[in-house]
Amino acid sequence: DTGVSQNPRHKITKRGQNVTFRCDPISEHNRLYWYRQTLGQGPEFLTYFQNEAQLEKSRLLSDRFSAERPKGSFSTLEIQRTEQGDSAMYLCASSFVGADGYTFGSGTRLTVV
Amino acid sequence: AQSVTQPDIHITVSEGASLELRCNYSYGATPYLFWYVQSPGQGLQLLLKYFSGDTLVQGIKGFEAEFKRSQSSFNLRKPSVHWSDAAEYFCAVGVNAGNMLTFGGGTRLMVKP
Repeated sequence: DTGVSQNPRHKITKRGQNVTFRCDPISEHNRLYWYRQTLGQGPEFLTYFQNEAQLEKSRLLSDRFSAERPKGSFSTLEIQRTEQGDSAMYLCASSFVGADGYTFGSGTRLTVV
Repeated sequence: AQSVTQPDIHITVSEGASLELRCNYSYGATPYLFWYVQSPGQGLQLLLKYFSGDTLVQGIKGFEAEFKRSQSSFNLRKPSVHWSDAAEYFCAVGVNAGNMLTFGGGTRLMVKP
């Protein structure tokens, strides 16, 4: 078990471009979460999946953001038409249903220039 | 909605000294409470959690935390700090163990030799 894996670790993109991040959870975990963390702040919840179903979305997840977990395993987070305000660390985490806490990945740092 | 306040943005302690990091939460029912640690450029590692039962909980790396319902607090303590403890510490509250967490703004700990 290699833990929660996120790729890429770093992404620099020009404003207006689309970006996609990938998260591979711990294999037996059926819940997967996305959080966003801006510099000097705590993580903020974006969305989570149970298996392939997206169960909750924050209002932070504007219509430029979309997340998928098509087969209940890995997940992707896409940001369309990136803005400078999207620059942040995007964290993924996974857990069992009913587990006591979850495991975070190392994150993908996005810089929009 | 729940919220978390970490009143101290920065704390500096000498190596070997004791440490207490403050966390206050707002939530109507009995919360699920967590402390996470984050090293620069990394994801979050769970230090300890409280769900119910004994209000003094032990975690990894010699940390402990005490849940005080009357004060809506969940302060993190360590009797003797090591240089490797320098990091950012986040307190979080959840409605239950598996759903979204609300994080505080974090406390950055620096350790003087």
